[in-house]
Amino acid sequence: GENVEQHPSTLSVQEGDSAVIKCTYSDSASNYFPWYKQELGKRPQLIIDIRSNVGEKKDQRIAVTLNKTAKHFSLHITETQPEDSAVYFCAASRNLGRLYFGRGTQLTVWP
Amino acid sequence: EPEVTQTPSHQVTQMGQEVILRCVPISNHLYFYWYRQILGQKVEFLVSFYNNEISEKSEIFDDQFSVERPDGSNFTLKIRSTKLEDSAMYFCASSDSGLYINEQFFGPGTRLTVL
Repeated sequence: GENVEQHPSTLSVQEGDSAVIKCTYSDSASNYFPWYKQELGKRPQLIIDIRSNVGEKKDQRIAVTLNKTAKHFSLHITETQPEDSAVYFCAASRNLGRLYFGRGTQLTVWP
Repeated sequence: EPEVTQTPSHQVTQMGQEVILRCVPISNHLYFYWYRQILGQKVEFLVSFYNNEISEKSEIFDDQFSVERPDGSNFTLKIRSTKLEDSAMYFCASSDSGLYINEQFFGPGTRLTVL
């Protein structure tokens, strides 16, 4: 089955700096790569996703890049704010399939 | 904006008891999922459900677990005889049948505590 690795496990940045979280996957048939943000005690919230026919996608301060050849994808957050502090999970799946999650990155943004 | 809802928010039970966790998926969604998250760990897939049958299940989803869509709105997860290691947050998710069929929207979760 699919194996998703996520790094780093913790990330601390100063407000206004950028944050980058990286994930790799093993199954070349995976074609959908979402990122979820989870605040303490809350549900995972989809913040951005990318499909395998696209190399990059941007939504305001958040961007995701995908390298299918290398089987890795990354989340980029620019101009970080304290409210960006949360656990971020990457995931991978095939069409209609289960999501395979990474282990999560605890992002802390210091004011 | 429509959301997935789950009840109860917290369930405490004794080991060996049966529990039923309830979910109301987003109304026009056709694909349903259960995941669980043990405290401090990643989210793990349990089962997916489509057209009134299980489409995929993980190795966690053994004979103690079952799912059901008893009516047009609810989707339930039953654990027949709970074990201490079943203590976790259980998330229901649902997905559309349209263009963005992969997008899974999660409910707020049910925290299950087995004593």
